[in-house]
Amino acid sequence: GAGVSQSPSNKVTEKGKDVELRCDPISGHTALYWYRQSLGQGLEFLIYFQGNSAPDKSGLPSDRFSAERTGGSVSTLTIQRTQQEDSAVYLCASSLSRRMGSGANVLTFGAGSRLTVL
Amino acid sequence: GEDVEQSLFLSVREGDSSVINCTYTDSSSTYLYWYKQEPGAGLQLLTYIFSNMDMKQDQRLTVLLNKKDKHLSLRIADTQTGDSAIYFCAVISGSARQLTFGSGTQLTVLP
Repeated sequence: GAGVSQSPSNKVTEKGKDVELRCDPISGHTALYWYRQSLGQGLEFLIYFQGNSAPDKSGLPSDRFSAERTGGSVSTLTIQRTQQEDSAVYLCASSLSRRMGSGANVLTFGAGSRLTVL
Repeated sequence: GEDVEQSLFLSVREGDSSVINCTYTDSSSTYLYWYKQEPGAGLQLLTYIFSNMDMKQDQRLTVLLNKKDKHLSLRIADTQTGDSAIYFCAVISGSARQLTFGSGTQLTVLP
């Protein structure tokens, strides 16, 4: 597609429920990132996919968080047993490549999914 | 790991210049970026600079890099109300595989 698409744009859920957030990256982009933006804070790295390589999960805050990327394209971020502190905007980004020395590695971001846990 | 810091707020008058500052800690940082986020939108890349450059100019935007002090700045000339947004500094360093972002600076342009 022309840009990075994320859905839903807004999600309100009750504490303890599971949620799934979807990201559809730009066609041909091999790298995909998930970031979390909490109110008044910067972007917190969550997870990164590059082609068929094992994902970098070093930013996931707990084992309630997981992500998949099927067929090297669409990605789903799943949060199980949501807590109020999970409330944030979840941003997805994609880029052509993340290899160092391969260029500026410009990330294109989606508009985000705003999650509110009551 | 890398730590990137920015001041949280900046207010300027329409027509004045805005200067948004950013400091980082990893001296092996290679690419440094400025992103803009308007309300309800994702981040939009404004410009970036490679670490072997001191300055980059793109229309109303000027990026200055002081590697010795690990200081990056974004100057917006003739600031307009449409420039009101959150501006994020981001850095990728030699050892990292993802961008590290600052907390963002909320720029408010007053008429």
